Amino acid sequence: DAKTTQPPSMDCAEGRAANLPCNHSTISGNEYVYWYRQIHSQGPQYIIHGLKNNETNEMASLIITEDRKSSTLILPHATLRDTAVYYCIVSKGGGQFYFGTGTSLTVIP
Amino acid sequence: NAGVTQTPKFQVLKTGQSMTLQCAQDMNHEYMSWYRQDPGMGLRLIHYSVGAGITDQGEVPNGYNVSRSTTEDFPLRLLSAAPSQTSVYFCASRRNSLGYTFGSGTRLTVV
Repeated sequence: DAKTTQPPSMDCAEGRAANLPCNHSTISGNEYVYWYRQIHSQGPQYIIHGLKNNETNEMASLIITEDRKSSTLILPHATLRDTAVYYCIVSKGGGQFYFGTGTSLTVIP
Repeated sequence: NAGVTQTPKFQVLKTGQSMTLQCAQDMNHEYMSWYRQDPGMGLRLIHYSVGAGITDQGEVPNGYNVSRSTTEDFPLRLLSAAPSQTSVYFCASRRNSLGYTFGSGTRLTVV
């Protein structure tokens, strides 16, 4: 499974968009990009995933570059409750998830 | 659906004791996994299963056994607990390209 690279930490002002980048330059054609977040010591929470096309749901948007070597998770209007560690994971449909250290996002009032 | 249920939520063991962490899912997911998370670190894969009767090792399998006799259950057994196994343990399940659903975790302390 491909490795991912994320910045260790980011800040975002409350109400502004949070843009979290992820590099996955060795991703293969059948690997999906998944985003999860973990608040305190709770179980990781699914946010969104995609293969090639950009995706949007009620929580976030996922922008995948055309060459699929990087992606960006966008939280359109960050709130204090979005403060968490965000993990970018690439995996095949039936493959395992290998977590890195993620990005610690702090939303500032 | 209850999702992924882990029991117990908290456990204290003495060094050398054995115990089983329980994990059950009611979503008919084929794939199940066990992770551990140490303070300030990401999750590390211990063991996983791609279906009933099939298990395999992850990144940090030593000191742990698993079995998958049914689709629903995936217990994790600590053979002889050590202080280094003090951690938070998460169980997760998924189907095909859908993402994993995680349980709420078991917080284990080995003294």
